[in-house]
Amino acid sequence: QQNVQQSPESLIVPEGARTSLNCTFSDSASQYFWWYRQHSGKAPKALMSIFSNGEKEEGRFTIHLNKASLHFSLHIRDSQPSDSALYLCAVRSSGSWQLIFGSGTQLTVMP
Amino acid sequence: NSKVIQTPRYLVKGQGQKAKMRCIPEKGHPVVFWYQQNKNNEFKFLINFQNQEVLQQIDMTEKRFSAECPSNSPCSLEIQSSEAGDSALYLCASSLDNYAEQFFGPGTRLTVL
Repeated sequence: QQNVQQSPESLIVPEGARTSLNCTFSDSASQYFWWYRQHSGKAPKALMSIFSNGEKEEGRFTIHLNKASLHFSLHIRDSQPSDSALYLCAVRSSGSWQLIFGSGTQLTVMP
Repeated sequence: NSKVIQTPRYLVKGQGQKAKMRCIPEKGHPVVFWYQQNKNNEFKFLINFQNQEVLQQIDMTEKRFSAECPSNSPCSLEIQSSEAGDSALYLCASSLDNYAEQFFGPGTRLTVL
């Protein structure tokens, strides 16, 4: 059974900071890796995804995946107050229909 | 912006009562997922459909939960006999296929008194 863990549970950073969020998973056969963002009272929305080892950048957001170490991460450059939200990582194992979500990192960006 | 519609937004039931919530997936999305998000933000996958067919569901869903996605009607998730532990945000998501991005609705917040 896939186990997905996120760290830290919560994070407070000043505006303009670089923020790093971490996610570990237990199934080495996992194939699909997502980061979702959920603003308070709103629907979760996909931020980025990655399917192979390496790095992917979209605007201020960069995702890293290292399957050998069972770890992927999200980095936010020049964090903005509007980035304040719950960040959820999600992993899909080979042969499974479901996404397994971590329990989230609550990010607060102080102006 | 996601166009997954969930109704009602809030639902209050007594223990033992039925609780039913509905979801209209984004147009053209044949795959629908139901998740339960508890007060600790933990997501639990409940069931998913491709068109009207169940692809996967967890044991909990098989016992007290029932779900369907009939053609030309909203998908629904029903709890036959609500328990206090069922209080949570129930999220519906849809996607083009099982590998694509899942688009979430705003959820139905169920409170079981």
